[in-house]
Amino acid sequence: DTGVSQDPRHKITKRGQNVTFRCDPISEHNRLYWYRQTLGQGPEFLTYFQNEAQLEKSRLLSDRFSAERPKGSFSTLEIQRTEQGDSAMYLCASSQKTGDYTEAFFGQGTRLTVV
Amino acid sequence: SQQGEEDPQALSIQEGENATMNCSYKTSINNLQWYRQNSGRGLVHLILIRSNEREKHSGRLRVTLDTSKKSSSLLITASRAADTASYFCATAVYTDKLIFGTGTRLQVFP
Repeated sequence: DTGVSQDPRHKITKRGQNVTFRCDPISEHNRLYWYRQTLGQGPEFLTYFQNEAQLEKSRLLSDRFSAERPKGSFSTLEIQRTEQGDSAMYLCASSQKTGDYTEAFFGQGTRLTVV
Repeated sequence: SQQGEEDPQALSIQEGENATMNCSYKTSINNLQWYRQNSGRGLVHLILIRSNEREKHSGRLRVTLDTSKKSSSLLITASRAADTASYFCATAVYTDKLIFGTGTRLQVFP
């Protein structure tokens, strides 16, 4: 397994269009996270799944955003009616909880540009 | 929203020098982690320190944690050009979601 993979790596879209990103976690990991990172800032938490259950959503995740993880494997993040403010790097991470500590492994991210 | 701030925002040093970055956070935590990010490899986990620990070492890295001041520091000794990257602290509270700081951009000149 080569780690967490995200697709596409780059996406340019026109304002108002819908976009969907995919994340394939490390295969044995049961937890999957989505973060958003804008230029010069640290990543901001969006949501996370344990298996197929979405356990927590940030207030940053407006009703235009939806995330799914069918069958507890890969995950998709969809943004509807994109706005220029959605331009950012979208990062996915996965982890396997062991004891009281969970190391998260991050993918390379999908860079979204809304024009 | 960001959990806290990192200081300095940017740091430039020569190879062989030590680099120290500081992180402050706002709420009680379960653990604090440091990550490195560069364009080639994305975000990489460096080290974790639990809330009941005060200091931890890993290779050239030394992390301290002061929960009374809600602050942490990362020391990189004998820096190398390959250490050039952005460094983020991230805190975990009651769940496994990470709350990241604003980051320190480190430039190490050969």
